[in-house]
Amino acid sequence: NAGVTQTPKFQVLKTGQSMTLQCAQDMNHNSMYWYRQDPGMGLRLIYYSASEGTTDKGEVPNGYNVSRLNKREFSLRLESAAPSQTSVYFCASSEALLGAFNEQFFGPGTRLTVL
Amino acid sequence: AQSVTQLDSHVSVSEGTPVLLRCNYSSSYSPSLFWYVQHPNKGLQLLLKYTSAATLVKGINGFEAEFKKSETSFHLTKPSAHMSDAAEYFCVVSDRWGGSGNTGKLIFGQGTTLQVKP
Repeated sequence: NAGVTQTPKFQVLKTGQSMTLQCAQDMNHNSMYWYRQDPGMGLRLIYYSASEGTTDKGEVPNGYNVSRLNKREFSLRLESAAPSQTSVYFCASSEALLGAFNEQFFGPGTRLTVL
Repeated sequence: AQSVTQLDSHVSVSEGTPVLLRCNYSSSYSPSLFWYVQHPNKGLQLLLKYTSAATLVKGINGFEAEFKKSETSFHLTKPSAHMSDAAEYFCVVSDRWGGSGNTGKLIFGQGTTLQVKP
């Protein structure tokens, strides 16, 4: 099993450009998440999907949109990139949002720089 | 509301000496607690988790953590540090069963960087 995969690994954008970060998991998990990691701030939740067909805002959703394409795939879109969105983005998945099996498994991350 | 505080942003130990990374949490309901490790330029890997079974939890690579409800702590320890343990460690809390205003999402501490000196 590949676990959680993310593409691309690295990306450089100019201010105002758009892009979509892709995430897929092969563990048959129901819940998926997008985080951003900035120095000294740990990980902050951008959006999550508790189950296929549902999405909800996390702590820092402004400037982002998401799509839960199917059970496996959860994409993050930046419509008009800003320098403040320079960060490392992680996708994660878990068997469930709640309960005893809510530990999350993380992808390798996407390093995004917005100039 | 849930929160987690990692008491040290940076810990330095010598190889072969014990490791202690401190974490305090706040949770209104029955928490799940986790420790994740992140090696440089890598994703996060689950070290161990507590979900209300034994209060002493053993994880991978010789790490363990003890859940102390009276102290609201979940400190991570290892008897003998190895050079490969140098990484950033995150303590994480989750409200396992949800509740008013909670949805089971993970709340991350700000991380502790572990340096291991030869």
